[in-house]
Amino acid sequence: DGGITQSPKYLFRKEGQNVTLSCEQNLNHDAMYWYRQDPGQGLRLIYYSQIVNDFQKGDIAEGYSVSREKKESFPLTVTSAQKNPTAFYLCASSPSTVQETQYFGPGTRLLVL
Amino acid sequence: GQNIDQPTEMTATEGAIVQINCTYQTSGFNGLFWYQQHAGEAPTFLSYNVLDGLEEKGRFSSFLSRSKGYSYLLLKELQMKDSASYLCAVLSNDYKLSFGAGTTVTVRA
Repeated sequence: DGGITQSPKYLFRKEGQNVTLSCEQNLNHDAMYWYRQDPGQGLRLIYYSQIVNDFQKGDIAEGYSVSREKKESFPLTVTSAQKNPTAFYLCASSPSTVQETQYFGPGTRLLVL
Repeated sequence: GQNIDQPTEMTATEGAIVQINCTYQTSGFNGLFWYQQHAGEAPTFLSYNVLDGLEEKGRFSSFLSRSKGYSYLLLKELQMKDSASYLCAVLSNDYKLSFGAGTTVTVRA
């Protein structure tokens, strides 16, 4: 089946630790996105990538890093510099960035121990 | 910056109709999306409007007025499974999606 997968479903981070969230898609989409969702707030864009080996910062990129070495994969690293990482993280993809519907993965909930 | 407003909560009875309004002020406009999100799950695409008017898709319809910066999502013949959060999102000139905070709809028997 075609779709977007994210793993793990739940992730626990200790203070000072970097953690990486996985996002994979087999839809052959060029564009991929990472959003953060907090209660009572809209989804906020962290990073996005329009093509392999290229990515741009979104609205809240500080404390996060990404890579796009393969078309189907767009992992997000939450670094120790992100002081408030507890949130629901959603990955999305679209055929391109121009007027295209974004399709979302199931999400990863990150909790700080 | 982008400003997208929608009501926080709405409650309606099974079988009724509910209209969720969304107003926006964004840097440019390249379309408006509505997504449905059940608690703890991924948003799923409902509709896309780029021209003024009404788009109907089964029990769900979406309306857009670009001159007024206004859209609504109409849910007809409400079912219990329609209890969810509904997200309004605008694609701006830089082709980034900006989301409203979402409207939680509760359907009561």
